[in-house]
Amino acid sequence: AQSVAQPEDQVNVAEGNPLTVKCTYSVSGNPYLFWYVQYPNRGLQFLLKYITGDNLVKGSYGFEAEFNKSQTSFHLKKPSALVSDSALYFCAVRDDGGAGNMLTFGGGTRLMVKP
Amino acid sequence: NAGVTQTPKFQVLKTGQSMTLQCAQDMNHNSMYWYRQDPGMGLRLIYYSASEGTTDKGEVPNGYNVSRLNKREFSLRLESAAPSQTSVYFCASIRGQQETQYFGPGTRLLVL
Repeated sequence: AQSVAQPEDQVNVAEGNPLTVKCTYSVSGNPYLFWYVQYPNRGLQFLLKYITGDNLVKGSYGFEAEFNKSQTSFHLKKPSALVSDSALYFCAVRDDGGAGNMLTFGGGTRLMVKP
Repeated sequence: NAGVTQTPKFQVLKTGQSMTLQCAQDMNHNSMYWYRQDPGMGLRLIYYSASEGTTDKGEVPNGYNVSRLNKREFSLRLESAAPSQTSVYFCASIRGQQETQYFGPGTRLLVL
């Protein structure tokens, strides 16, 4: 079985400050990890993914995430937040041995960036 | 490429009515998925189709049926809508295991 936890329903940060959105996961095999962003009344947009290799993954819009196998975490980060980053963020995991290439999503974290 | 498209964008149903949500992708992806999104619950998988000709239940399949019409199209049917099925429905597709899953824009369904 695979699962994802996003422990914070909401993260508040001031514009220009660094941001972190937390994600932890559980899988039986090796994890494939993803971050998606959702703006109001829109579908999910892909930000970045970890499949294998370098633990620090860089993605769209200046976001990056660090894979930590020992802590089973994949936290999303950005050095300097923008007001336009305000949105709902989802972490997702796929077990490399799982059937059907299914993704399991966390409950989402709302990021609020204040001017 | 249009990517993943969904119709309709918005629908209002009365309890007991039926409807079919349509999804199509033009990326030659093998696997397709239907999710529902409810406040505070993230996305939950309803049904998926790992490849053309196959379908399987996800986490919340009750009250739904699906059809993988061909490689491009994957429809979701509500035979007798209930207020608990009020939600936003997303279709998604993927080429292979290490690939990114791409999402459609969603269908907002209100069941009265």
